[in-house]
Amino acid sequence: NAGVTQTPKFQVLKTGQSMTLQCAQDMNHNSMYWYRQDPGMGLRLIYYSASEGTTDKGEVPNGYNVSRLNKREFSLRLESAAPSQTSVYFCASSGTGGGYEQYFGPGTRLTVT
Amino acid sequence: AQSVAQPEDQVNVAEGNPLTVKCTYSVSGNPYLFWYVQYPNRGLQFLLKYITGDNLVKGSYGFEAEFNKSQTSFHLKKPSALVSDSALYFCAVRDTGGFKTIFGAGTRLFVKA
Repeated sequence: NAGVTQTPKFQVLKTGQSMTLQCAQDMNHNSMYWYRQDPGMGLRLIYYSASEGTTDKGEVPNGYNVSRLNKREFSLRLESAAPSQTSVYFCASSGTGGGYEQYFGPGTRLTVT
Repeated sequence: AQSVAQPEDQVNVAEGNPLTVKCTYSVSGNPYLFWYVQYPNRGLQFLLKYITGDNLVKGSYGFEAEFNKSQTSFHLKKPSALVSDSALYFCAVRDTGGFKTIFGAGTRLFVKA
């Protein structure tokens, strides 16, 4: 049982390049989330997927797109990277019922130059 | 709108002493409240949650938290701190009528031997 996995762990992009961050969970959770973490700002929600087949914007969706590929996988795409997207990105998942605590992946550290 | 405040950027405590990490919240309905811990270069780990019932909730690693509805607070506590408790702690809140979880900015705990 790996929990939530993310790839890659590190990435350096040049301004304007694109990339996709991959996330998968093996806990049979319905809901999945993408956050970014910046110093002193806590975690900010980029997009979430309440269930397979649905996605919704969070607090900071601009410059990102997501795909809920199936129940296990939820990817985040940067179409044209900007230096302001330098951050640590976390994927999380949660079940339904019982309080909705989230389980997080190890993160992707992205630098855009 | 939901919000979470962690008034202390950093808390310093000596090993063996009790520790408290403060959190206050604002939601429109009844809250689900959470504490998470983040160790260096790792994702967040769930510690404990308040859903309903007893105002004192117990979680992992000897941590507990007290829900105070009148003060809209959910402070994290531990009777005897360990050096290994040194980490970044996040309080989070979810409105029971909503879906999104809002995270505080985090409090860094230093436990000195």
